Amino acid sequence: GAVVSQHPSRVICKSGTSVKIECRSLDFQATTMFWYRQFPKQSLMLMATSNEGSKATYEQGVEKDKFLINHASLTLSTLTVTSAHPEDSSFYICSATGHAGLSLYEQYFGPGTRLTVT
Amino acid sequence: SQELEQSPQSLIVQEGKNLTINCTSSKTLYGLYWYKQKYGEGLIFLMMLQKGGEEKSHEKITAKLDEKKQQSSLHITASQPSHAGIYLCGADPEYGGATNKLIFGTGTLLAVQP
Repeated sequence: GAVVSQHPSRVICKSGTSVKIECRSLDFQATTMFWYRQFPKQSLMLMATSNEGSKATYEQGVEKDKFLINHASLTLSTLTVTSAHPEDSSFYICSATGHAGLSLYEQYFGPGTRLTVT
Repeated sequence: SQELEQSPQSLIVQEGKNLTINCTSSKTLYGLYWYKQKYGEGLIFLMMLQKGGEEKSHEKITAKLDEKKQQSSLHITASQPSHAGIYLCGADPEYGGATNKLIFGTGTLLAVQP
């Protein structure tokens, strides 16, 4: 149980285009989802926290107009990188927390999405 | 803001050897998590520690949180190639994990040579 999926696993896009990454909780309701990015050989950096039905809370230094987050349902959150540039190339990971018997302190991570902007 | 520093940054050990990874916080830890990550993949939850002096074990991995709750160690006994990966410590930045947010340590890359 407590599986989180991400789609796509890899995406290559041209500079200036937008790309959407989906994060789904497959067998539980995710009241809160988190989006992280990870550069090569570096740790995960929290980008934003999204709660179902409300606006995402962005960490300092993260452009909310560039990284659009939508958490429309208890099982789906999307991250849209708008007008992508090569410096946006990174590994994006989502995680989710929820109820239904799961520890509130435990986050379940998706497998990540490798974004390459050419 | 809270910062988590891990040491060593990278580690290469021979199969069968023991090893220890440390995670040091600039502030008191109210919840400390250990994760393992294969390169280019998601994170696998290992253990969570909350109380000062707490120690947990799972198979050949033991994690401890010191009494002052500012340092945690992860110890692997008789390492195997399957232990190779990136180990990350994570912590709640706020007391009680009210936000469920996690900040992560700098990471430790472990390689196990057969």
